Amino acid sequence: GQNIDQPTEMTATEGAIVQINCTYQTSGFNGLFWYQQHAGEAPTFLSYNVLDGLEEKGRFSSFLSRSKGYSYLLLKELQMKDSASYLCAVKDSNYQLIWGAGTKLIIKP
Amino acid sequence: EAQVTQNPRYLITVTGKKLTVTCSQNMNHEYMSWYRQDPGLGLRQIYYSMNVEVTDKGDVPEGYKVSRKEKRNFPLILESPSPNQTSLYFCASSFGGSLVDTQYFGPGTRLTVL
Repeated sequence: GQNIDQPTEMTATEGAIVQINCTYQTSGFNGLFWYQQHAGEAPTFLSYNVLDGLEEKGRFSSFLSRSKGYSYLLLKELQMKDSASYLCAVKDSNYQLIWGAGTKLIIKP
Repeated sequence: EAQVTQNPRYLITVTGKKLTVTCSQNMNHEYMSWYRQDPGLGLRQIYYSMNVEVTDKGDVPEGYKVSRKEKRNFPLILESPSPNQTSLYFCASSFGGSLVDTQYFGPGTRLTVL
């Protein structure tokens, strides 16, 4: 079967750095997405990786290792507004998105 | 403004009373999809549509119907709602067909079936 694993919840301090991991086992791979979802709101796109390596976009970076079936989202200089759920999703061989359950990130002052 | 709209945003209904949740996008997207989101389970796809008049089942299609008569609209129909369909529903759209295929989500519809 297809599976995406993320930690259920993480806590970090304002101004710090946090890394949210995602491991996947899917039938084929056509890219990995990270979305941010604030409570009660719609998910919004953060990043996309299809090749191995690090993609940096401001305070957020995303890393991919296809051989290990592994990705992480790195958030730097954490702000209170970063408190949200972070969803990892993989596009499989049929170009369908398989979603993880999401990681709830709690930022403390 | 490019957006996906859903209506209603909130709905409380009773078991067995047919309902429709509308979804519309103004970005000329080929691909549209419906998800439900439940605590601890993440987003689960109900149905999707690659183009007009083309729809396919997702992971949890039981109890739902969809139609795609026009490119911009993709309504979700619950013929006989049951309490286990109480959930947060999202419609999403994208251009489709490419690798970098960012999904745009509607604001969500919170449905309660009593």
